Amino acid sequence: GENVEQHPSTLSVQEGDSAVIKCTYSDSASNYFPWYKQELGKRPQLIIDIRSNVGEKKDQRIAVTLNKTAKHFSLHITETQPEDSAVYFCAASMRDSSYKLIFGSGTRLLVRP
Amino acid sequence: KAGVTQTPRYLIKTRGQQVTLSCSPISGHRSVSWYQQTPGQGLQFLFEYFSETQRNKGNFPGRFSGRQFSNSRSEMNVSTLELGDSALYLCAIQETQYFGPGTRLLVL
Repeated sequence: GENVEQHPSTLSVQEGDSAVIKCTYSDSASNYFPWYKQELGKRPQLIIDIRSNVGEKKDQRIAVTLNKTAKHFSLHITETQPEDSAVYFCAASMRDSSYKLIFGSGTRLLVRP
Repeated sequence: KAGVTQTPRYLIKTRGQQVTLSCSPISGHRSVSWYQQTPGQGLQFLFEYFSETQRNKGNFPGRFSGRQFSNSRSEMNVSTLELGDSALYLCAIQETQYFGPGTRLLVL
């Protein structure tokens, strides 16, 4: 069935360093890949997304890359700051026919000052 | 920006009871999805509604049901509650990827 694997489960980096979170999806029909940030006690918030017709997308310090052949996509955060500390979730969807999201298991990112 | 209201925000029930949760998106958005979030299982898809029609259902038992009204408000119902139903239940306006604040359900 549909599945999204996410690694690592926890990630600790020094402030200013880069962080990379990787996801793999199983359903080749997936065409939309959002990333969410969830701070403690708060709702998930969309931070960036990418569609299958694009290989890379950037928004200031965050970027997402997609490799459709390998069914991999990754989140890159550069110049990390303590406020980047949160749980990050990747997800996959067949957006043309459904908004249903299959989520990865989450990555707890800790940015050490 | 889209907004979503969920009520109640917190709820305590006992095993065997039933519960109804409500989600009200800002008008004009026709798609509402529900997700269950637990520490062990993460974020799992429950239902998707589009213009009052259930378009998708996740792998949950029949005790979980839902519906959407003509004003886009959606409800989900869980009957015969089990301890494992304790979770944060989130609804989302999928057109905008905006999640509501969630209802935290505790089953004792």
